[in-house]
Amino acid sequence: SQTIHQWPATLVQPVGSPLSLECTVEGTSNPNLYWYRQAAGRGLQLLFYSVGIGQISSEVPQNLSASRPQDRQFILSSKKLLLSDSGFYLCAWSRTDLSNQPQHFGDGTRLSIL
Amino acid sequence: AQRVTQPEKLLSVFKGAPVELKCNYSYSGSPELFWYVQYSRQRLQLLLRHISRESIKGFTADLNKGETSFHLKKPFAQEEDSAMYYCALSGGRGGNKLTFGTGTQLKVEL
Repeated sequence: SQTIHQWPATLVQPVGSPLSLECTVEGTSNPNLYWYRQAAGRGLQLLFYSVGIGQISSEVPQNLSASRPQDRQFILSSKKLLLSDSGFYLCAWSRTDLSNQPQHFGDGTRLSIL
Repeated sequence: AQRVTQPEKLLSVFKGAPVELKCNYSYSGSPELFWYVQYSRQRLQLLLRHISRESIKGFTADLNKGETSFHLKKPFAQEEDSAMYYCALSGGRGGNKLTFGTGTQLKVEL
């Protein structure tokens, strides 16, 4: 069966420091991968998605970037964190062989910027 | 542009009462609609999708294209239904992207 792992679960970082959040998927090949930010009262906002290695689409302008160095690895990064980057970040995957497939989510990372 | 609206941030009902979580969408094509649920201390998970036309944990949702709605219903609420519920829409474009509503917190009281 397919599983998705996301780490770390929580992270506290100072303003201006770099960021790297990692997400890996097991049990499937060539998944679509997604990074979301979940904010209270604002639902889930799609930040990035990827349909293949090295292919990244950004949905909103921001201080963050994403990379997909391997088929089942998706990384969310920043060179210099801002206070506004605080939030709850979710990684998700979906199948690519059919359209309109549901997405499957990781446990999320709670990021606090001091 | 596609949009999903969940007008209620919080819905409180008594155990055994009927539940209806509202979801309206805006999309020019033929959408695929989903309901996701997040129980306390658990990950966000798929509850049901309209194309499956199935009942999950007693919940059903019917796509009404005329009213552009996909309300989630259950005839008799249970305490374990208390959770955050998100309605989501996929327009079938590249990447199976989902547009989520802002969510409704369902609280089932005894």
